[in-house]
Amino acid sequence: DAKTTQPPSMDCAEGRAANLPCNHSTISGNEYVYWYRQIHSQGPQYIIHGLKNNETNEMASLIITEDRKSSTLILPHATLRDTAVYYCIVRVNRGYNQGGKLIFGQGTELSVKP
Amino acid sequence: GAVVSQHPSWVICKSGTSVKIECRSLDFQATTMFWYRQFPKQSLMLMATSNEGSKATYEQGVEKDKFLINHASLTLSTLTVTSAHPEDSSFYICSARGGTPPFEQYFGPGTRLTVT
Repeated sequence: DAKTTQPPSMDCAEGRAANLPCNHSTISGNEYVYWYRQIHSQGPQYIIHGLKNNETNEMASLIITEDRKSSTLILPHATLRDTAVYYCIVRVNRGYNQGGKLIFGQGTELSVKP
Repeated sequence: GAVVSQHPSWVICKSGTSVKIECRSLDFQATTMFWYRQFPKQSLMLMATSNEGSKATYEQGVEKDKFLINHASLTLSTLTVTSAHPEDSSFYICSARGGTPPFEQYFGPGTRLTVT
């Protein structure tokens, strides 16, 4: 699975959008981009994933560049509860018993400040 | 999203004893389960992958005789830390992936193990 690069930390003001970048320049055609977050001393929480197109759900939006070499996770209105470590992971998702492993990098520690 | 539970949430044991941690998928059938370990201020490290009814596949550097994994049913996997030592103290997190689309992977809340 391809590796990802993320800034180690970011700050965001409460109520503003948080834009978290991720570089995955060696991503291959069948690899998806996944985002998880981990609040202190809890298990990771799934946020969103995508292959080529931009995706949006109730938690966030995922913008993937046309060449798929980078992506941005957007939390539209960050709250204090969004303070967490955010992980960008690329993984093959071929289906039943064939999906790749989720290998975690160091992630981005997002601090949302009042 | 789907729910994965772990039991216990924390455990303290004496050096030399064994500890079993349970991981359950509560509302879906988990064809594949994963075990991770996380030391303070570090990222999650994948220890092993197990498919229901098969032997676990361990990542390089993880001792299979020390970390026994059993995935006997589609909703339960267990991790047994045998002859635990203080250096095994860590946060152990399980994860489960369903066998139907979209094949997403969900994580348990973690188990804090302290070996004294």
